[in-house]
Amino acid sequence: DTGVSQDPRHKITKRGQNVTFRCDPISEHNRLYWYRQTLGQGPEFLTYFQNEAQLEKSRLLSDRFSAERPKGSFSTLEIQRTEQGDSAMYLCASSEPGLTSEQYFGPGTRLTVT
Amino acid sequence: AQSVAQPEDQVNVAEGNPLTVKCTYSVSGNPYLFWYVQYPNRGLQFLLKYITGDNLVKGSYGFEAEFNKSQTSFHLKKPSALVSDSALYFCAVRAGYSSASKIIFGSGTRLSIRP
Repeated sequence: DTGVSQDPRHKITKRGQNVTFRCDPISEHNRLYWYRQTLGQGPEFLTYFQNEAQLEKSRLLSDRFSAERPKGSFSTLEIQRTEQGDSAMYLCASSEPGLTSEQYFGPGTRLTVT
Repeated sequence: AQSVAQPEDQVNVAEGNPLTVKCTYSVSGNPYLFWYVQYPNRGLQFLLKYITGDNLVKGSYGFEAEFNKSQTSFHLKKPSALVSDSALYFCAVRAGYSSASKIIFGSGTRLSIRP
């Protein structure tokens, strides 16, 4: 296992279209996180899974955003009716159980909404 | 509410000199503190963490960080900077109570090491 992978690495879409991103965590990690990062800012927490259960969602996550982790392995993040303000880097991270565990990040998916 | 402040957008240091990247935090209860580094076109990489115990923690690539509870700080340090240390550095905090889950990141500090 070489780490967290994300697909696609880049996505260009027109405003109003739906997009879906995939994250494959490190296999033995049961926690999975989604973040959004804009230029010059740190990652902003979006949502978090422990196994297949989505345990927390940020208020940043509007009803156009939905995330799933159906079998407790890979996860998808879908954005419906994209807006230009959704343009950002979407980061996925995974970790072992426990509050003290560090997160391992994927390379991110860069979304550009035109 | 949890928060992290990195007061310097950029830190410039000559190669071979010591470096410090500053971080202060606010959290309920005991903090769990982390430093990550981001190189261009690459994901964030974990450097080190403070959980409990010795206030000076050592991490990857010769970096260390000092936890100061009274000043609510967790500054990143390295005795002798390398040009290859040039990157974006993020401090992060998680509250140390059982229901806490998310990690809050600072806005980042760009470290530039000149030869």
